[in-house]
Amino acid sequence: GAVVSQHPSWVICKSGTSVKIECRSLDFQATTMFWYRQFPKQSLMLMATSNEGSKATYEQGVEKDKFLINHASLTLSTLTVTSAHPEDSSFYICSAYPGTARTDTQYFGPGTRLTVL
Amino acid sequence: AQTVTQSQPEMSVQEAETVTLSCTYDTSENNYYLFWYKQPPSRQMILVIRQEAYKQQNATENRFSVNFQKAAKSFSLKISDSQLGDTAMYFCAFMKGIQGAQKLVFGQGTRLTINP
Repeated sequence: GAVVSQHPSWVICKSGTSVKIECRSLDFQATTMFWYRQFPKQSLMLMATSNEGSKATYEQGVEKDKFLINHASLTLSTLTVTSAHPEDSSFYICSAYPGTARTDTQYFGPGTRLTVL
Repeated sequence: AQTVTQSQPEMSVQEAETVTLSCTYDTSENNYYLFWYKQPPSRQMILVIRQEAYKQQNATENRFSVNFQKAAKSFSLKISDSQLGDTAMYFCAFMKGIQGAQKLVFGQGTRLTINP
């Protein structure tokens, strides 16, 4: 149980276009989802916290108008990279928090590799 | 703010050997969780082991065990009888132990290679 999927797993786009990445909890309801960014050979950096039915909370330095997050249901959060540029190329990972009594458990998606040409 | 530091960017050992990965953290919180995550070449994050700060007993999961020194704010991971499949990036992470979803703060990672 506790599976999180991401779609697409790999996307290439042209500079200036927008790209949407989906994060789904397949067998549980996720009250909160987290979006991370990981550059090659580096650690995960939290971008934002996504709560179902409310606005996302962005970390300092993350452009909220560039990285649009929508958590419209308890099983789906989306990250849209608007007007993407080559510097946005990265590996994006989501994690989902099931909101059960086990407050220490998050489940990670497999990640999405974004390449902007 | 919490910080997590892994001072070993890379480590390499022979198969079947024991290896210890270091992690230190800084926090003013009294209640928190510490984790070790593994990220193999597939890049899927896998939880290796967790430790609750209020528990004095060190966590153990099969070949994986931790040495949790709360006063020193140290949280090392020991891998016994290392296997080729243990080759991966290992991240130490901190999370506040309060109600509701809390973010993870990750260390820089240690790239572990197990050689045949």
